[in-house]
Amino acid sequence: QVQLQQWGAGLLKPSETLSLTCAVYGGSVSGDYWSWIRQSPGKGLEWIGEINHSGSTNYNPSLKSRVTISVDTSKNQFYLKVNSVTAADTAVFYCARVLRGIIPYYYYMDIWGKGTTVTVSS
Amino acid sequence: QSVLTQPPSVSAAPGQKVTISCSGSSSNIGNNYVSWYQQVPGTAPKLLIYDNNKRPSGIPDRFSASKSGTSATLGISGLQTGDEADYYCGTWETSLSALYVFGTGTKVTVL
Repeated sequence: QVQLQQWGAGLLKPSETLSLTCAVYGGSVSGDYWSWIRQSPGKGLEWIGEINHSGSTNYNPSLKSRVTISVDTSKNQFYLKVNSVTAADTAVFYCARVLRGIIPYYYYMDIWGKGTTVTVSS
Repeated sequence: QSVLTQPPSVSAAPGQKVTISCSGSSSNIGNNYVSWYQQVPGTAPKLLIYDNNKRPSGIPDRFSASKSGTSATLGISGLQTGDEADYYCGTWETSLSALYVFGTGTKVTVL
């Protein structure tokens, strides 16, 4: 079955760039959508954005100016970059597989990575 | 601030039933399918319900869900201590900006 393994730097200084990788095992990054979600300490879930195998993306408007999601089909991986981080970006970040319609009247995340804790502190 | 509103907490004794509401609008729940996620503290969320009321393989039928208009409901019957977790609804939002939105989350406590 498909599993997601994620990793990236866990401690950043303000203004640095957050970079995370999510590797897809037991399946292919092609043919599906893939997303990033974050959860600030003690808070709820926040959808960051999504990408498909051809590189088509959708982003949360609240983060769009600072976020880039990309995919490398040759490595079966997808990525998250967040520029100019601040303490408000401290969170656990999750990658997930998305099952959705072309028009996303149905949309859900069925497989999740274990999460990566990112702390932004000077 | 989420556009999907859930009660902060619900509780019941083992064996009892709890229901969790998720209130939205015509730009989200009213025109799209709802999913539900369970998050045990310290772990990643897990898909519990998709397409309003379907359970993935391995999810017991103690978990059920429905949708009516711009609201959705998750029910957990035969409550077990292992059900203590946070529960989130989610759906696609098609207002000024298209994005996926999660509910505010509900903490389920087994008394």
